[in-house]
Amino acid sequence: NAGVMQNPRHLVRRRGQEARLRCSPMKGHSHVYWYRQLPEEGLKFMVYLQKENIIDESGMPKERFSAEFPKEGPSILRIQQVVRGDSAAYFCASSRGRSDTEAFFGQGTRLTVV
Amino acid sequence: KQEVTQIPAALSVPEGENLVLNCSFTDSAIYNLQWFRQDPGKGLTSLLLIQSSQREQTSGRLNASLDKSSGRSTLYIAASQPGDSATYLCAAPNSGNTPLVFGKGTRLSVIA
Repeated sequence: NAGVMQNPRHLVRRRGQEARLRCSPMKGHSHVYWYRQLPEEGLKFMVYLQKENIIDESGMPKERFSAEFPKEGPSILRIQQVVRGDSAAYFCASSRGRSDTEAFFGQGTRLTVV
Repeated sequence: KQEVTQIPAALSVPEGENLVLNCSFTDSAIYNLQWFRQDPGKGLTSLLLIQSSQREQTSGRLNASLDKSSGRSTLYIAASQPGDSATYLCAAPNSGNTPLVFGKGTRLSVIA
């Protein structure tokens, strides 16, 4: 049973481009969470999704950021018109149920905006 | 709103020592608490999950305890080894469908 798979592992984008980060949850997991980690800071929650539904997006900036978890395929975190401040490690986690079950994390995508 | 605090922020110990990492949380209405390990430039590895009905969980040289009434959890590492060097994070959800809230972590260095 493969773990949470994120790709790409590293992504370099120029300012103004779009970044697409993908996350495939563990088999049997239907809950996905995205977090952002800035250097020397803790993980900050961004968005919580179930299949085809956004449950909580309170941590996601209102502009330029969007997330989806379609019925088929991976969850996608999309950042439009990236700026240097978007440079960070983005982690995805999945769980079998709500927040009261164990969460497993992927290896992260390190986004660098140049 | 849940807030999670970890003390100390950094810790350096000689190999073989037993050590305790502390985690406190403000909202005791938690379903569980989870401890993770993060190596530099890597993802998070789940170490232990303690359900709210449990007082402690053990895995090998690791033991995590949970005291909901005082809003505290501790991670005990026995006979530390250089390979234990990493950042240790604790995280707790609020009730309902809210996500994990993380502390800033304790950066552990075990010196050979």
